Amino acid sequence: QSVLTQPPSVSGAPGQRVTISCTGTRSNVGAGYDLHWYRQYPGTAPQLLIYADTHRPSGVPDRFSGSKSGASASLAITGLQAEDEADYFCQSYDSSLSRYVFGPGTKLVVL
Amino acid sequence: QITLRESGPTLVKPTQTLTLTCTFSGFSLDSDGVGVAWIRQPPGEPLEWLVHIYWNSDRRFNPSLRSRLTITKDTSKNQVVLLMSNMDPADTATYYCAHIPRADTIDFFAHWGLGALVTVSS
Repeated sequence: QSVLTQPPSVSGAPGQRVTISCTGTRSNVGAGYDLHWYRQYPGTAPQLLIYADTHRPSGVPDRFSGSKSGASASLAITGLQAEDEADYFCQSYDSSLSRYVFGPGTKLVVL
Repeated sequence: QITLRESGPTLVKPTQTLTLTCTFSGFSLDSDGVGVAWIRQPPGEPLEWLVHIYWNSDRRFNPSLRSRLTITKDTSKNQVVLLMSNMDPADTATYYCAHIPRADTIDFFAHWGLGALVTVSS
């Protein structure tokens, strides 16, 4: 049971915009700890998409963007493409648990 | 270009100790602020952070697993070794090592190895 909550799945048609939420608590995101996002295709390793709430590593398209407000964060994907179908995880730090924590993941389905 | 690769046994017996090696290139574990982490993912489950080691040999452990974990580094070989004792079938997972860059934020995992699937079974 994760301290970060994500919807199990979201879906969208090609070209649309989708958002994936990640909701934390007062001991992690709500305490001001940054949030990071990863994408994982089946059978492969996760890939960093967004770090420190809003920053994109080099090579990540600007179709991906992150935002955060209070204890909640969101990953937005615009111009949805078939290749975006994957699992998306958020990650932060929890001061009560004294550990780095991941969300349970959200499966993005491109219709 | 940063790369990491996990190596070790694919099958261990219950109660045995797992030893996994992460061999990396493209960065130095001598560099200020840099670290290497181990993260695992049971089949069909979310990711779970285990431990990491920094350039200065400082370590951070998942408190729920701390008593079972050992992590060491060999900077000359560009390797980080994870030992996990008293393995149980519940520890069956893909184990990843990941690069932690120096950054003005909480640690994140910028580059990952391909992962090593470890099955615990008698």
